[in-house]
Amino acid sequence: EPEVTQTPSHQVTQMGQEVILRCVPISNHLYFYWYRQILGQKVEFLVSFYNNEISEKSEIFDDQFSVERPDGSNFTLKIRSTKLEDSAMYFCASGGKDSLGTNYGYTFGSGTRLTVV
Amino acid sequence: QQQVKQSPQSLIVQKGGISIINCAYENTAFDYFPWYQQFPGKGPALLIAIRPDVSEKKEGRFTISFNKSAKQFSLHIMDSQPGDSATYFCAASIAPFYGGSQGNLIFGKGTKLSVKP
Repeated sequence: EPEVTQTPSHQVTQMGQEVILRCVPISNHLYFYWYRQILGQKVEFLVSFYNNEISEKSEIFDDQFSVERPDGSNFTLKIRSTKLEDSAMYFCASGGKDSLGTNYGYTFGSGTRLTVV
Repeated sequence: QQQVKQSPQSLIVQKGGISIINCAYENTAFDYFPWYQQFPGKGPALLIAIRPDVSEKKEGRFTISFNKSAKQFSLHIMDSQPGDSATYFCAASIAPFYGGSQGNLIFGKGTKLSVKP
């Protein structure tokens, strides 16, 4: 079964450093998302990306965050200057429909645990 | 208006019993209601989802009941098994990938289910 792949699985970074979280969405999906989950809390929407641009973002997704699809397969989330409160699991997801209208739904990756120290 | 309220926060059920988790939403524009299962260290995995044109959907031991007028929906797990022990999240959105919707999900806070042997 196709998977959304995220790397690294765990990243520890110093406060103020930049981090890039990487995702390889399922190949024929067209919609891409980042969500985060602070330990023990609910999953929260960060940003959605379609047709090479951000389509919607939440209040959490401030100027410190950016997303990019640098090539045909990768989708990245960059946090420019990490804060302690950025520590969380970050999940990438992808989804879409094919040309016949078959809805692929929405698949999450296994996440990257970001720890800011 | 964007909240999804989920209860209970935790649930202990004996093997073979019925697990019931409830959710309520506020935004009447939502028309896609999925349930996700999450094991520790993993991303949310889609379990079952419903659109508001039906009041019930069953897949194996999992059933969603949907009450549009009350803006409530629930997950029933029949014949609960120890392997069902996980955190369950309800979510809501405008149906993804229909009419240009990105389907950004609003999650409930989760229910930690423990099924005792």
